[in-house]
Amino acid sequence: NAGVMQNPRHLVRRRGQEARLRCSPMKGHSHVYWYRQLPEEGLKFMVYLQKENIIDESGMPKERFSAEFPKEGPSILRIQQVVRGDSAAYFCASQTGVTQETQYFGPGTRLLVL
Amino acid sequence: AQKITQTQPGMFVQEKEAVTLDCTYDTSDPSYGLFWYKQPSSGEMIFLIYQGSYDQQNATEGRYSLNFQKARKSANLVISASQLGDSAMYFCAMRAATRNYQLIWGAGTKLIIKP
Repeated sequence: NAGVMQNPRHLVRRRGQEARLRCSPMKGHSHVYWYRQLPEEGLKFMVYLQKENIIDESGMPKERFSAEFPKEGPSILRIQQVVRGDSAAYFCASQTGVTQETQYFGPGTRLLVL
Repeated sequence: AQKITQTQPGMFVQEKEAVTLDCTYDTSDPSYGLFWYKQPSSGEMIFLIYQGSYDQQNATEGRYSLNFQKARKSANLVISASQLGDSAMYFCAMRAATRNYQLIWGAGTKLIIKP
């Protein structure tokens, strides 16, 4: 049973380009959370999705950031017109539909904006 | 407001000694969960241990145990017989129902085990 998968592991973009981060949850998991980790800091919640639904996007910037979790395929976190401040590690976590279950994390995507 | 505080930015511990990493939390939710994760230099986030707010006993997982003191709102991680491979960042996190079960994180403690 493969764990949570994220790709790419490292992504370099120039200012103004788009970044697409993908997350495939563990088999049987229908809930996905995205978190951002700035250097030397803890993680900060961005968005919580279930299949085809955004449940809570209160931690996600209103502009340039969007997320989806389609019926088929991975969850996508999309950052348009990236700026240097978007450089961070982006983690995806998945859990089963039972809210008390543990969230399991992917290896993260390190985004560097030049 | 819901908050996690880790007051130790870094710790040095001699190999084979026990180590306690501090974590205090603040929440008004009656039901919540407390987690510890390890982040080695490779960057992945590894789940270590979980404590529910209604659990009567302190959680244990191998060399990891959680010293849960509900009245003091603390959830310290204890690692017994530390090993060189324990060197990493350690994060305490809280999950609260009123926040859609998102995890709220502390700033982390960098643990270095000395040979």
